Amino acid sequence: AQKVTQAQTEISVVEKEDVTLDCVYETRDTTYYLFWYKQPPSGELVFLIRRNSFDEQNEISGRYSWNFQKSTSSFNFTITASQVVDSAVYFCALSEATQGGSEKLVFGKGTKLTVNP
Amino acid sequence: DSGVTQTPKHLITATGQRVTLRCSPRSGDLSVYWYQQSLDQGLQFLIQYYNGEERAKGNILERFSAQQFPDLHSELNLSSLELGDSALYFCASSAREGTDTQYFGPGTRLTVL
Repeated sequence: AQKVTQAQTEISVVEKEDVTLDCVYETRDTTYYLFWYKQPPSGELVFLIRRNSFDEQNEISGRYSWNFQKSTSSFNFTITASQVVDSAVYFCALSEATQGGSEKLVFGKGTKLTVNP
Repeated sequence: DSGVTQTPKHLITATGQRVTLRCSPRSGDLSVYWYQQSLDQGLQFLIQYYNGEERAKGNILERFSAQQFPDLHSELNLSSLELGDSALYFCASSAREGTDTQYFGPGTRLTVL
């Protein structure tokens, strides 16, 4: 079965510091998708990125960047020049095929990021 | 705002009771997923519907059931509630089945006293 490990339970940084959230996954599928979601204190889950297993190019979106390395089964997330508004729990997730031909998400336990002013 | 709506936002009830959580997917999305987020189990997939049909089941208890209606909204029914059912219940939707991105609603926080 698929598994996602986010070894960092909590991270605390000072504003403007860069921070990297680690994600390691396990899968036997050759085609799969990886995701990051953000859960701010208000509780909703906000989609950040989806990455296809065949696309190992790094992606940058503003202060956010993602590093996908198939060789190490990792999909790490970096926030550059962190801000207080980045404080949230961040979840890494992996798609897993179901018997019905659909996909479900398998989530890691999440990393709680606190950015202090 | 993801476009997925869930009601109610909060629900407080007693053990042994039954509740219904409601979800409206994003406009045009055919697939609805239910997830449970609890402190001990984390985020877990419960069940998925596509265009009215059940497609996949995860760690859903027999006391729980769901359906998707012709207008594509979905309801999650939880019965014989126990203290351990207290959790945040999320609905997500995607355009189709497969690996489309799932967009999550704001969640319903259920507290069983």
